[in-house]
Amino acid sequence: GDSVTQMEGPVTLSEEAFLTINCTYTATGYPSLFWYVQYPGEGLQLLLKATKADDKGSNKGFEATYRKETTSFHLEKGSVQVSDSAVYFCALKKTSYDKVIFGPGTSLSVIP
Amino acid sequence: DVKVTQSSRYLVKRTGEKVFLECVQDMDHENMFWYRQDPGLGLRLIYFSYDVKMKEKGDIPEGYSVSREKKERFSLILESASTNQTSMYLCASSWDTSGRAPNEQFFGPGTRLTVL
Repeated sequence: GDSVTQMEGPVTLSEEAFLTINCTYTATGYPSLFWYVQYPGEGLQLLLKATKADDKGSNKGFEATYRKETTSFHLEKGSVQVSDSAVYFCALKKTSYDKVIFGPGTSLSVIP
Repeated sequence: DVKVTQSSRYLVKRTGEKVFLECVQDMDHENMFWYRQDPGLGLRLIYFSYDVKMKEKGDIPEGYSVSREKKERFSLILESASTNQTSMYLCASSWDTSGRAPNEQFFGPGTRLTVL
């Protein structure tokens, strides 16, 4: 069945470090791909998305490129801040009537 | 901005009680979802609904039921709460994008339920 795999962490970085969170997926067809972020004590919110191969999603300095050849959607940020400390979820969805498939989440802590 | 609200942020109930968790969205979304989130298990889908009065079982529906009498409101019901239902419950909603690329879900802030 369809699935999403991501590094679970926890990941601890110093402020201004470069961030990569790997995400790979298994799915038939052409899913849309998403990164959600969950700040402490809150629900999930969309960080960025890409709906077709080679699309790049970007928001708040974060980027991810939909790579169909490697079935990947890695999240990157050039310089993290303490306020980026959160749990990050990679997810896919194939059609409006399919369930969202979430990865297990990656906990990120950024220390000053 | 899309807003999804949940009736309580924190709730404490006793074993055997009937528990209602309410979710309301203000963007006329067709689709609504209930998840539970537990450490080490990620998000698991309990029930979802694609239209008023429609409901579909998710991955873990046992011990839960739902009600969607109005488009904007989706209720999760624990008929007889048990300690293993202590969890964070997240509601979400989305537009129907039939025939087009699916879009994102919008989440509420969550209800942390403790069953004693």
